[in-house]
Amino acid sequence: SQQGEEDPQALSIQEGENATMNCSYKTSINNLQWYRQNSGRGLVHLILIRSNEREKHSGRLRVTLDTSKKSSSLLITASRAADTASYFCATDLWQGAQKLVFGQGTRLTINP
Amino acid sequence: DVKVTQSSRYLVKRTGEKVFLECVQDMDHENMFWYRQDPGLGLRLIYFSYDVKMKEKGDIPEGYSVSREKKERFSLILESASTNQTSMYLCASSPYRQGSHGYTFGSGTRLTVV
Repeated sequence: SQQGEEDPQALSIQEGENATMNCSYKTSINNLQWYRQNSGRGLVHLILIRSNEREKHSGRLRVTLDTSKKSSSLLITASRAADTASYFCATDLWQGAQKLVFGQGTRLTINP
Repeated sequence: DVKVTQSSRYLVKRTGEKVFLECVQDMDHENMFWYRQDPGLGLRLIYFSYDVKMKEKGDIPEGYSVSREKKERFSLILESASTNQTSMYLCASSPYRQGSHGYTFGSGTRLTVV
């Protein structure tokens, strides 16, 4: 079952611009996480935001969580060519064991 | 640097073969997971384990089994490989059961069944 859905499916911007990706989910969560995947590789954990948190920062990343709307956003500021990747949100439903459910991802392309 | 290591990056197997995908983590994590990733379908959970000799079915366990005899190793087994099991397989691990940490993923195994 797909819990998280990212929007947009693909995003192309110029280097230096900010990139915003959104994630919506359906059921109550323990936390929400964002991951990056470079082409053909494994996923890399970027940031985790708990259900009682509203905003979190890590370097050029800013994540917000609105549990009333069941949505989250990932903002990458001052984008770089190296940020080109697919970005996935994942929801932790915590049903007796940690079990992440991933969305289908946003493909981000940063043009030099 | 902490690691999840998948034994093969690319694998080609014939229909009907028994296939073993190995995953080893060096972080003493309790939880381990197997996902498959397909275009348009995202990541789907096959099986997971939160302790040695424990296993739980994920969303798409049919045609797969797993083994966790040691804490650091989680094996995915395709009992009789079929072409619809051609996919990217991703192993991941995480600490604890409270769900307060992110996953560490391996680099993936791209399996082609011919």
